[in-house]
Amino acid sequence: QSVLTQPPSVSGAPGQRVTISCTGSSSNIGAPYDVHWYQQLPGTAPKLLIYGNINRPSGVPARFSGSQSGTSASLAITGLQAEDEADYYCQSYDSSLSGVVFGGGTKLTVL
Amino acid sequence: QVTLKESGPALVKPTQTLTLTCTFSGFSLTTSGMRVSWIRQTPGKALEWLARIDWDDDKFYSTYLKTRLTISKDTSKNQVVLTMTNMDPVDTGTYYCARTEIDYSSEYWGQGTLVTVSS
Repeated sequence: QSVLTQPPSVSGAPGQRVTISCTGSSSNIGAPYDVHWYQQLPGTAPKLLIYGNINRPSGVPARFSGSQSGTSASLAITGLQAEDEADYYCQSYDSSLSGVVFGGGTKLTVL
Repeated sequence: QVTLKESGPALVKPTQTLTLTCTFSGFSLTTSGMRVSWIRQTPGKALEWLARIDWDDDKFYSTYLKTRLTISKDTSKNQVVLTMTNMDPVDTGTYYCARTEIDYSSEYWGQGTLVTVSS
Protein backbone atom coordinates (compact mmCIF):
# COMPACT_ATOMS: atom_id res chain seq x y z
CA GLN A 1 0.00 0.00 0.00
CA SER A 2 1.66 3.21 -1.18
CA VAL A 3 1.58 6.37 0.93
CA LEU A 4 0.59 8.37 -2.15
CA THR A 5 -2.46 7.13 -4.05
CA GLN A 6 -2.60 7.07 -7.84
CA PRO A 7 -5.14 5.48 -10.18
CA PRO A 8 -3.74 2.19 -11.51
CA SER A 9 -4.48 3.12 -15.10
CA VAL A 10 -5.66 5.90 -17.38
CA SER A 11 -6.11 5.99 -21.12
CA GLY A 12 -6.70 8.44 -23.91
CA ALA A 13 -6.68 8.74 -27.66
CA PRO A 14 -3.90 10.51 -29.55
CA GLY A 15 -4.26 14.26 -29.30
CA GLN A 16 -6.41 14.12 -26.18
CA ARG A 17 -5.66 15.43 -22.70
CA VAL A 18 -5.31 13.12 -19.71
CA THR A 19 -4.68 13.79 -16.06
CA ILE A 20 -3.18 11.57 -13.38
CA SER A 21 -3.98 12.30 -9.76
CA CYS A 22 -1.79 11.78 -6.71
CA THR A 23 -3.47 11.94 -3.33
CA GLY A 24 -1.52 12.22 -0.11
CA SER A 25 -2.03 13.65 3.35
CA SER A 26 -1.05 16.46 5.69
CA SER A 27 2.30 14.85 6.40
CA ASN A 28 3.45 14.89 2.79
CA ILE A 29 1.77 16.81 -0.07
CA GLY A 30 -0.34 18.82 2.35
CA ALA A 31 2.59 19.72 4.64
CA PRO A 32 3.42 20.99 2.01
CA TYR A 33 6.33 19.10 0.54
CA ASP A 34 7.03 19.33 -3.17
CA VAL A 35 5.60 16.75 -5.54
CA HIS A 36 7.67 15.33 -8.37
CA TRP A 37 6.57 13.20 -11.30
CA TYR A 38 8.47 10.50 -13.17
CA GLN A 39 7.87 8.72 -16.45
CA GLN A 40 9.08 5.16 -16.78
CA LEU A 41 9.23 3.42 -20.13
CA PRO A 42 9.46 -0.40 -20.11
CA GLY A 43 12.89 -1.66 -19.09
CA THR A 44 14.28 1.77 -18.28
CA ALA A 45 14.93 3.86 -15.19
CA PRO A 46 12.40 6.50 -14.15
CA LYS A 47 12.84 9.86 -15.84
CA LEU A 48 12.11 13.10 -13.99
CA LEU A 49 9.18 14.80 -15.70
CA ILE A 50 8.07 17.47 -13.23
CA TYR A 51 9.83 18.75 -10.12
CA GLY A 52 8.71 21.19 -7.46
CA ASN A 53 5.04 20.60 -8.34
CA ILE A 54 5.10 22.58 -11.59
CA ASN A 55 8.59 22.77 -13.06
CA ARG A 56 9.86 20.89 -16.12
CA PRO A 57 13.51 19.86 -16.45
CA SER A 58 15.23 20.91 -19.62
CA GLY A 59 14.08 18.81 -22.55
CA VAL A 60 10.67 17.84 -21.20
CA PRO A 61 7.96 18.99 -23.60
CA ALA A 62 5.51 21.65 -22.48
CA ARG A 63 2.73 19.11 -23.08
CA PHE A 64 3.51 17.88 -19.59
CA SER A 65 2.39 20.04 -16.67
CA GLY A 66 1.92 19.64 -12.97
CA SER A 67 -0.25 21.19 -10.31
CA GLN A 68 -0.78 20.86 -6.59
CA SER A 69 -3.60 21.82 -4.26
CA GLY A 70 -4.05 20.85 -0.64
CA THR A 71 -3.16 17.20 -0.17
CA SER A 72 -3.30 16.30 -3.86
CA ALA A 73 -1.34 16.85 -7.02
CA SER A 74 -1.97 16.18 -10.68
CA LEU A 75 0.00 15.54 -13.82
CA ALA A 76 -1.61 16.66 -17.07
CA ILE A 77 -0.55 15.53 -20.52
CA THR A 78 -2.00 17.35 -23.50
CA GLY A 79 -1.74 16.40 -27.16
CA LEU A 80 -1.30 12.75 -26.22
CA GLN A 81 1.21 10.85 -28.34
CA ALA A 82 1.88 7.14 -28.73
CA GLU A 83 5.32 7.62 -27.18
CA ASP A 84 3.69 8.83 -23.96
CA GLU A 85 2.52 5.29 -23.21
CA ALA A 86 4.41 4.51 -20.00
CA ASP A 87 4.11 4.23 -16.24
CA TYR A 88 3.95 7.48 -14.27
CA TYR A 89 4.86 7.92 -10.61
CA CYS A 90 4.43 10.78 -8.18
CA GLN A 91 6.87 11.34 -5.33
CA SER A 92 7.03 13.52 -2.25
CA TYR A 93 8.55 13.62 1.21
CA ASP A 94 6.69 12.44 4.30
CA SER A 95 7.48 14.00 7.67
CA SER A 96 5.85 11.18 9.66
CA LEU A 97 8.05 8.62 7.94
CA SER A 98 11.03 10.96 7.65
CA GLY A 99 11.59 9.76 4.14
CA VAL A 100 10.75 9.94 0.47
CA VAL A 101 7.46 8.33 -0.59
CA PHE A 102 6.15 7.29 -3.99
CA GLY A 103 2.75 6.67 -5.48
CA GLY A 104 1.89 3.19 -6.67
CA GLY A 105 2.20 4.22 -10.30
CA THR A 106 -0.27 4.77 -13.12
CA LYS A 107 -0.10 2.99 -16.45
CA LEU A 108 -1.01 5.31 -19.32
CA THR A 109 -2.37 3.62 -22.40
CA VAL A 110 -2.64 5.55 -25.65
CA LEU A 111 -5.59 4.09 -27.52
CA GLN B 1 27.72 15.02 -17.69
CA VAL B 2 26.28 13.24 -14.68
CA THR B 3 26.17 9.44 -14.80
CA LEU B 4 25.55 6.75 -12.21
CA LYS B 5 25.88 3.00 -12.48
CA GLU B 6 24.92 0.27 -10.06
CA SER B 7 26.85 -2.95 -9.61
CA GLY B 8 26.49 -6.00 -7.45
CA PRO B 9 25.43 -9.64 -7.44
CA ALA B 10 22.52 -10.67 -9.61
CA LEU B 11 21.62 -13.53 -7.30
CA VAL B 12 21.74 -13.81 -3.53
CA LYS B 13 20.47 -16.52 -1.23
CA PRO B 14 17.91 -15.93 1.51
CA THR B 15 19.47 -14.66 4.77
CA GLN B 16 22.58 -13.43 2.94
CA THR B 17 23.76 -9.82 2.94
CA LEU B 18 23.51 -7.84 -0.29
CA THR B 19 26.17 -5.28 -1.12
CA LEU B 20 25.54 -2.86 -3.97
CA THR B 21 27.89 -0.20 -5.30
CA CYS B 22 26.91 2.98 -7.09
CA THR B 23 29.74 4.47 -9.12
CA PHE B 24 29.11 7.97 -10.34
CA SER B 25 30.75 10.73 -12.35
CA GLY B 26 30.06 14.34 -13.20
CA PHE B 27 29.78 15.48 -9.60
CA SER B 28 31.49 14.96 -6.26
CA LEU B 29 30.04 13.94 -2.95
CA THR B 30 32.46 16.34 -1.32
CA THR B 31 30.55 19.26 -2.84
CA SER B 32 28.03 20.94 -0.57
CA GLY B 33 24.47 19.96 -1.43
CA MET B 34 25.26 16.71 -3.20
CA ARG B 35 23.25 13.66 -2.20
CA VAL B 36 22.85 10.09 -3.47
CA SER B 37 19.87 7.85 -2.81
CA TRP B 38 19.04 4.19 -3.33
CA ILE B 39 15.59 3.27 -4.60
CA ARG B 40 14.25 -0.14 -5.54
CA GLN B 41 11.44 -1.43 -7.71
CA THR B 42 9.84 -4.73 -6.94
CA PRO B 43 8.17 -7.02 -9.50
CA GLY B 44 4.82 -5.54 -8.46
CA LYS B 45 6.42 -2.40 -9.96
CA ALA B 46 6.20 -0.06 -6.98
CA LEU B 47 9.13 2.28 -6.36
CA GLU B 48 10.47 2.29 -2.80
CA TRP B 49 13.03 4.72 -1.38
CA LEU B 50 15.66 2.94 0.70
CA ALA B 51 18.38 5.30 1.88
CA ARG B 52 20.29 8.51 1.22
CA ILE B 53 23.74 9.81 2.01
CA ASP B 54 24.69 13.48 1.87
CA TRP B 55 27.93 15.34 1.15
CA ASP B 56 28.42 15.94 4.88
CA ASP B 57 28.02 12.19 5.59
CA ASP B 58 24.51 12.55 7.00
CA LYS B 59 22.63 9.30 6.41
CA PHE B 60 18.92 8.65 6.18
CA TYR B 61 17.05 5.35 6.00
CA SER B 62 13.61 4.03 5.21
CA THR B 63 11.65 3.66 8.44
CA TYR B 64 10.59 0.18 7.37
CA LEU B 65 14.06 -1.12 6.49
CA LYS B 66 16.48 0.87 8.61
CA THR B 67 17.45 -2.08 10.77
CA ARG B 68 18.73 -3.89 7.69
CA LEU B 69 20.38 -1.07 5.73
CA THR B 70 23.74 0.63 5.86
CA ILE B 71 24.83 3.32 3.41
CA SER B 72 28.35 4.65 3.07
CA LYS B 73 30.50 6.61 0.63
CA ASP B 74 34.02 6.51 -0.70
CA THR B 75 34.64 9.98 -2.07
CA SER B 76 38.05 9.04 -3.48
CA LYS B 77 36.39 6.46 -5.71
CA ASN B 78 33.15 8.39 -6.34
CA GLN B 79 31.17 5.49 -4.97
CA VAL B 80 28.23 4.94 -2.64
CA VAL B 81 27.72 1.51 -1.11
CA LEU B 82 24.48 0.06 0.20
CA THR B 83 24.33 -3.09 2.27
CA MET B 84 21.11 -4.88 3.08
CA THR B 85 21.17 -7.75 5.55
CA ASN B 86 18.98 -10.81 5.88
CA MET B 87 17.79 -10.84 2.28
CA ASP B 88 14.42 -12.45 1.54
CA PRO B 89 12.70 -13.38 -1.74
CA VAL B 90 10.41 -10.36 -1.32
CA ASP B 91 13.51 -8.19 -1.71
CA THR B 92 13.81 -9.33 -5.32
CA GLY B 93 13.75 -6.37 -7.63
CA THR B 94 15.70 -3.72 -9.50
CA TYR B 95 17.88 -1.47 -7.37
CA TYR B 96 18.65 2.06 -8.55
CA CYS B 97 20.94 4.77 -7.29
CA ALA B 98 20.14 8.38 -8.09
CA ARG B 99 21.49 11.83 -7.39
CA THR B 100 19.01 13.60 -5.15
CA GLU B 101 18.36 17.32 -5.02
CA ILE B 102 17.46 19.41 -1.99
CA ASP B 103 13.75 19.10 -2.80
CA TYR B 104 14.14 15.28 -2.80
CA SER B 105 13.69 14.97 -6.58
CA SER B 106 16.12 12.89 -8.61
CA GLU B 107 16.94 13.89 -12.16
CA TYR B 108 19.87 11.53 -12.63
CA TRP B 109 19.42 7.79 -12.20
CA GLY B 110 21.54 4.76 -12.86
CA GLN B 111 20.30 2.05 -15.21
CA GLY B 112 19.44 -0.20 -12.27
CA THR B 113 20.65 -3.63 -11.30
CA LEU B 114 18.36 -6.62 -10.97
CA VAL B 115 18.76 -8.61 -7.78
CA THR B 116 17.06 -11.97 -7.36
CA VAL B 117 16.81 -13.58 -3.95
CA SER B 118 16.48 -17.33 -4.27
CA SER B 119 17.97 -20.47 -2.85
